[in-house]
Amino acid sequence: EAGVAQSPRYKIIEKRQSVAFWCNPISGHATLYWYQQILGQGPKLLIQFQNNGVVDDSQLPKDRFSAERLKGVDSTLKIQPAKLEDSAVYLCASSHGQGGEPLHFGNGTRLTVT
Amino acid sequence: KQEVTQIPAALSVPEGENLVLNCSFTDSAIYNLQWFRQDPGKGLTSLLLIQSSQREQTSGRLNASLDKSSGRSTLYIAASQPGDSATYLCAPDTGGFKTIFGAGTRLFVKA
Repeated sequence: EAGVAQSPRYKIIEKRQSVAFWCNPISGHATLYWYQQILGQGPKLLIQFQNNGVVDDSQLPKDRFSAERLKGVDSTLKIQPAKLEDSAVYLCASSHGQGGEPLHFGNGTRLTVT
Repeated sequence: KQEVTQIPAALSVPEGENLVLNCSFTDSAIYNLQWFRQDPGKGLTSLLLIQSSQREQTSGRLNASLDKSSGRSTLYIAASQPGDSATYLCAPDTGGFKTIFGAGTRLFVKA
């Protein structure tokens, strides 16, 4: 089974620029998550989709972050404009969405904002 | 709001030692709890998932226990190897598939 695919692997941008990350979950997985992991910390949930609907985006900084999951498959996360504190690894994860099963993570996108 | 604490934050042990990683969480109303491993520059790999009705799960040299009422879980690693060096994260699911992570324990196993 192919894993969760994310791109790009690395991105360096200047503050106030915009950036977008892409995620393709495991085929058939209804639930998709975006996490932000700052160095030395555990991942923090940004947004959770069930199919193409948002389940939880309470911790998404909506003034600068946006995410969509068109057609209930792949997803993009955008930051506009970026701030220095957005430097982190952005992880995408997916699961079947039936409860009680493990999350499957991609390798993440490491973002550096200078 | 669920808060997850992992102790110790870092651990260095000689090869062959048995070790225990601790996880505590504030909201005991969880559906399940997962232990993950994260290698540098990589994503997370699920090691064990314990349902709320279970007391423990085993996979090879790994054993995870869950005491939901006291808000605690432990990950036991037997006969540690250098390849076990990684960060181990604990993550309870508080419902709605909302998985909250601790900061992790960084493990280094010396050959």
